[in-house]
Amino acid sequence: AQKITQTQPGMFVQEKEAVTLDCTYDTSDPSYGLFWYKQPSSGEMIFLIYQGSYDQQNATEGRYSLNFQKARKSANLVISASQLGDSAMYFCAMREGQLGNQFYFGTGTSLTVIP
Amino acid sequence: GAVVSQHPSWVICKSGTSVKIECRSLDFQATTMFWYRQFPKQSLMLMATSNEGSKATYEQGVEKDKFLINHASLTLSTLTVTSAHPEDSSFYICSARRWAGAYEQYFGPGTRLTVT
Repeated sequence: AQKITQTQPGMFVQEKEAVTLDCTYDTSDPSYGLFWYKQPSSGEMIFLIYQGSYDQQNATEGRYSLNFQKARKSANLVISASQLGDSAMYFCAMREGQLGNQFYFGTGTSLTVIP
Repeated sequence: GAVVSQHPSWVICKSGTSVKIECRSLDFQATTMFWYRQFPKQSLMLMATSNEGSKATYEQGVEKDKFLINHASLTLSTLTVTSAHPEDSSFYICSARRWAGAYEQYFGPGTRLTVT
């Protein structure tokens, strides 16, 4: 089974609107971390936000928030007030365990912000 | 802080030659570094994990004799693609973690390898 599933290969959003990028995960480890990265066309992976499995509150970082629904095993990224510079690939990733090395990445969602 | 650099950012080499890619943590010491490979419009696939001073751990299906990884210091890991073939053309990304248990990995900007 896929560890991380991103079902939206491509998304479009109007500038200044909010958009939600979906991510579901699969793990039996009670301790894990969930990450979102942005990859612009230049290729570098830019860390956006992190959610730990034991965190009670949803993570927020500026315009980014993570809608963490543990029972559903979902960790959707919400980008508010979209900007043209938000156009990029977005990857959801998971690390299992406190000392786990491997990051499992989803297949990514290509977001295009329309002016 | 937490900047990771890669050199070169892009490289073109002839089939059969070897090419070395460097990954450096510029402002922190990285106990663990990771090497990923990304094909166009696809996700990142972990190739190997390297801990300073020990042998790298390769993921299943990754040829350790073809992709040589050396993690000689706490700030430098190298990936050498030996006897490169056109199918090795890809985007190679490294990442670094400060200490075991640290939740975040810091990614380098990537190296685009083209083998002709």
